[in-house]
Amino acid sequence: DQQVKQNSPSLSVQEGRISILNCDYTNSMFDYFLWYKKYPAEGPTFLISISSIKDKNEDGRFTVFLNKSAKHLSLHIVPSQPGDSAVYFCAAERGANNLFFGTGTRLTVIP
Amino acid sequence: DGGITQSPKYLFRKEGQNVTLSCEQNLNHDAMYWYRQDPGQGLRLIYYSQIVNDFQKGDIAEGYSVSREKKESFPLTVTSAQKNPTAFYLCASTKGRNTGELFFGEGSRLTVL
Repeated sequence: DQQVKQNSPSLSVQEGRISILNCDYTNSMFDYFLWYKKYPAEGPTFLISISSIKDKNEDGRFTVFLNKSAKHLSLHIVPSQPGDSAVYFCAAERGANNLFFGTGTRLTVIP
Repeated sequence: DGGITQSPKYLFRKEGQNVTLSCEQNLNHDAMYWYRQDPGQGLRLIYYSQIVNDFQKGDIAEGYSVSREKKESFPLTVTSAQKNPTAFYLCASTKGRNTGELFFGEGSRLTVL
């Protein structure tokens, strides 16, 4: 049972525009949410996170929004750059060592 | 520089053979993890270890074994009992038990011929 879902396997965006990656979860006990970025043949790298007590966290071009009532998480990248092209995984945590990953969304930023 | 080193990067194995994937970290992290990635699926947890000489099964531990004799090392053995071992394997570590901010290695791709 997939507790964290990324329903869009791929997304293409023009350089300079906004990229919005979405993630839905089913377990209301999740208390910490993260986004990871992954290039081919490399391990994921941590990008940004948000605690369940917040609804927004911003870090430069990256902003994560959390809507707990809808059990929905989104990552906004603005402006998008070609170097942002990668697979993005969202993940949700429920206590220690209980990290659940989504299936990933491949973002392509077109120059 | 601190980091996580996985080896080998690519590995081929014949059916029926055991193979061990290495994972070493010099980040002084307490917890270490092994994940498996398959096409179209999220990362799935195989095993994790919070301290030396202790480890716990994750969601898909069957057919795998681990050891944690040193803080820096967490090798994963893919045994012949693993029905579908061809996959991309990722090792990760984190400082404390209450953070999900994992540091990942570059991964090992195992192909069973």
